This record gives sequence, C-alpha cells and structure tokens, in this order.
Amino acid sequence: DAKTTQPPSMDCAEGRAANLPCNHSTISGNEYVYWYRQIHSQGPQYIIHGLKNNETNEMASLIITEDRKSSTLILPHATLRDTAVYYCIVRLSNSGYALNFGKGTSLLVTP
Amino acid sequence: DAGVTQSPTHLIKTRGQHVTLRCSPISGHKSVSWYQQVLGQGPQFIFQYYEKEERGRGNFPDRFSARQFPNYSSELNVNALLLGDSALYLCASSGTGWFSNQPQHFGDGTRLSIL
Repeated sequence: DAKTTQPPSMDCAEGRAANLPCNHSTISGNEYVYWYRQIHSQGPQYIIHGLKNNETNEMASLIITEDRKSSTLILPHATLRDTAVYYCIVRLSNSGYALNFGKGTSLLVTP
Repeated sequence: DAGVTQSPTHLIKTRGQHVTLRCSPISGHKSVSWYQQVLGQGPQFIFQYYEKEERGRGNFPDRFSARQFPNYSSELNVNALLLGDSALYLCASSGTGWFSNQPQHFGDGTRLSIL
C-alpha cells in the first residue's frame, strides 16, 4: 500500500473551514484514499473515502488531485468537537484490508 | 443499529498472564480486524478474519492469536503478557463481501494495562 505524509499538527478557528492535506505520491490506480479521525480515548471514526472523484458527505468533503498524488479533507465549519487526530490512509481495494494509520495530523479547533 | 462492541472496556493483568478480548461486529458485517494502539502512536494491524478464516496478519509474535465464530464475533488472545503489551486494543468490522472498498468501523477498544 502507498505511504502517506501528513503535517503533524494544525490549528483552526471555530466556524472556519479546516483543510487537512495529505500526500500520497506513490498511490496506484486501484488504491482508495480513506480518512479517519480519533478523538481522545475513543476508537477511530470513519469520515470519508474516495478513488479519484471528489466526494462529499454529511461530515466532510474529500478533494483528490487529478494525478491522485495528494488529497485534502475539508471540514466546512469546524467546531470544538472536531478537535482530534486525523489519519489519511491509502490501501488496496482487494488487499487484506489492513489499514496503515501512520501518525496523522493533530487538529486543534480554537474558540 | 448497534456499532462494534468490545468487552471488557478496561482490564488489568500482570506479566505472564493470559488475556482474552472480545468483539461483536456490526450486524451483517462478516470481516473483523484487530489493532493495537500504544500511547502516542496510531493503531497497528494485528489480524483480519473473514468468514472465520484468517486473511491477514501483522508483525506480531505468536503470543497473539485470534479466531472468528460462526456468528462473526471474534476473540483476541494474548499469552505470556509483557509490559509492552499495555495498549488500547481496537476491533473493527466491515463489509459483506471480501473484495470491497467498504470502510472499517471501529469499536472504542479495550484498554489493557500490564503491571
């Protein structure tokens, strides 16, 4: 599976959009991009995933560049409850489905 | 609908003991995966089971074993516990098919402390 690179930490003001970047320059054509987040003392929470088209759900939007070497998770109106560690993960759709979490980005939303 | 449930939520053991952790997947999910998360790090993959068969294994010693039952619930067993086994153990379930891009959904884990 492709490796991902994320900034270790980011800040965002409450009510503003949080844009979390992820580089996955070695991604191959059949690898999906998944985003999870983990709030302290809880299990990881699935947010969104995509292959090559941009995706949106009730939690967030996922923008994948045309060459698929990077992506951005967008939380449109960040709240204090969005403070968490965010993981960008790339894995094969027909692999053993193991998720390689890496270290993620610690997002702090401030009042 | 109930999410992934794990039991117990907390557990304290001493070195050399054995532990069994349990996981019930989301209804209809046939795949269960186990992860270990030590403090300050992301979760690390231990095992994945689908239809009661082991489909993947991470870089963990043979002291770690698991199984999946006909109702798709699962157990993780760890023998000869070491201090380094202190961690949050997470269970995730996914999908109705093996070749699927469906995401894994996690429980809140069992926090295991070794004294």
